Amino acid sequence: EAGVTQFPSHSVIEKGQTVTLRCDPISGHDNLYWYRRVMGKEIKFLLHFVKESKQDESGMPNNRFLAERTGGTYSTLKVQPAELEDSGVYFCASSLSDSSNSPLHFGNGTRLTVT
Amino acid sequence: GNSVTQMEGPVTLSEEAFLTINCTYTATGYPSLFWYVQYPGEGLQLLLKATKADDKGSNKGFEATYRKETTSFHLEKGSVQVSDSAVYFCALSPAPMEYGNKLVFGAGTILRVKS
Repeated sequence: EAGVTQFPSHSVIEKGQTVTLRCDPISGHDNLYWYRRVMGKEIKFLLHFVKESKQDESGMPNNRFLAERTGGTYSTLKVQPAELEDSGVYFCASSLSDSSNSPLHFGNGTRLTVT
Repeated sequence: GNSVTQMEGPVTLSEEAFLTINCTYTATGYPSLFWYVQYPGEGLQLLLKATKADDKGSNKGFEATYRKETTSFHLEKGSVQVSDSAVYFCALSPAPMEYGNKLVFGAGTILRVKS
């Protein structure tokens, strides 16, 4: 089966611009998560979708970040306008259920650099 | 709140050396504990997990024991190989088990194994 895919793998943008990251989860996985690793620090939870609904968006840093999952398939994470501190690696993960017995499958991440 | 602290890297070892990567956690209740590994150019993969005190998780020669009394989950391997070079992340899933995939990660430890 195809794994979780993320696009693009790298993005370099200027402060103030807009960037949209995309995640395609494993087919059939209702649960989709976004995480972020900034400056080699901890990987932090951003939000969790169950199908097309936001189950938990408590980790979203501010209203410059907008996540969507229309139709419950792929998800996008838009940053508008981007700031320097948004630089980092954005990971997407999916799982069959939201129990810790259902393993998380991670994508390779999108490395975002804001200059 | 919940947090995970890992030893800082990079850790550099010769092939066949013994590996320990320390991980301690702070959590309320009874979290599940995980080690994830990120090989170069890839996404995170679950390495092993433990769901209750004194459980030992193991995989690919790696082991970690859930120690509630010391709030630790140290990763060990008796004989490392060059192919083990990667970034290792300790993580916890806060109780309850029913919502298990909102993980709290440590900062990651880079392991470099020289031949």
